[in-house]
Amino acid sequence: DTTVKQNPRYKLARVGKPVNLICSQTMNHDTMYWYQKKPNQAPKLLLFYYDKILNREADTFEKFQSSRPNNSFCSLYIGSAGLEYSAMYLCASSREDTLEQYFGPGTRLTVL
Amino acid sequence: GDSVTQKEGLVTLTEGLPVMLNCTYQTIYSNAFLFWYVHYLNESPRLLLKSSTDNKRTEHQGFHATLHKSSSSFHLQKSSAQLSDSALYYCALSESNYQLIWGSGTKLIIKP
Repeated sequence: DTTVKQNPRYKLARVGKPVNLICSQTMNHDTMYWYQKKPNQAPKLLLFYYDKILNREADTFEKFQSSRPNNSFCSLYIGSAGLEYSAMYLCASSREDTLEQYFGPGTRLTVL
Repeated sequence: GDSVTQKEGLVTLTEGLPVMLNCTYQTIYSNAFLFWYVHYLNESPRLLLKSSTDNKRTEHQGFHATLHKSSSSFHLQKSSAQLSDSALYYCALSESNYQLIWGSGTKLIIKP
């Protein structure tokens, strides 16, 4: 099974409210990623976990939190959603020796 | 720093004509991997091609690309476009097992 799963697929949130997105994979991949994708833009890496080590991009680290309670699961947490957070959030995972990233179907977040 | 350039934001072709999407890159790493990802509407991005070997043609699903380190290029080609090829195509670079550096993407539209 080479699938990455994401829940929910669609999320509606109010400005100022928290948002929690979930990703899972059963491929025993050591690295899991979260990307933000807006229309007509390339995916933007927000953060990634290598094993239990979290790496966050410098320009987004204050806006997004994450946890990885075990190898299979990884969450993306927004403490206070703003309108600019409306986007598709893609989770991906990869194995150290192949560099190939497998993407989930994405969660479309709309902030109102 | 490392970068990937896809100079065409939109390519529109008639079915049956050859496809060529340009990708050039900059990196100081001699063993960098180059990727093409395809992103169909309402699906998640998935790997189309991958290469790190100079002057070696890599092929998959009718598409092919050859990494030319002398010109820092990894152009995507197909001999005959099909309607189903309409999608977003991203060229990406990785010199490690963690991060992909994405190009801005090329939207390919195939018309009958």
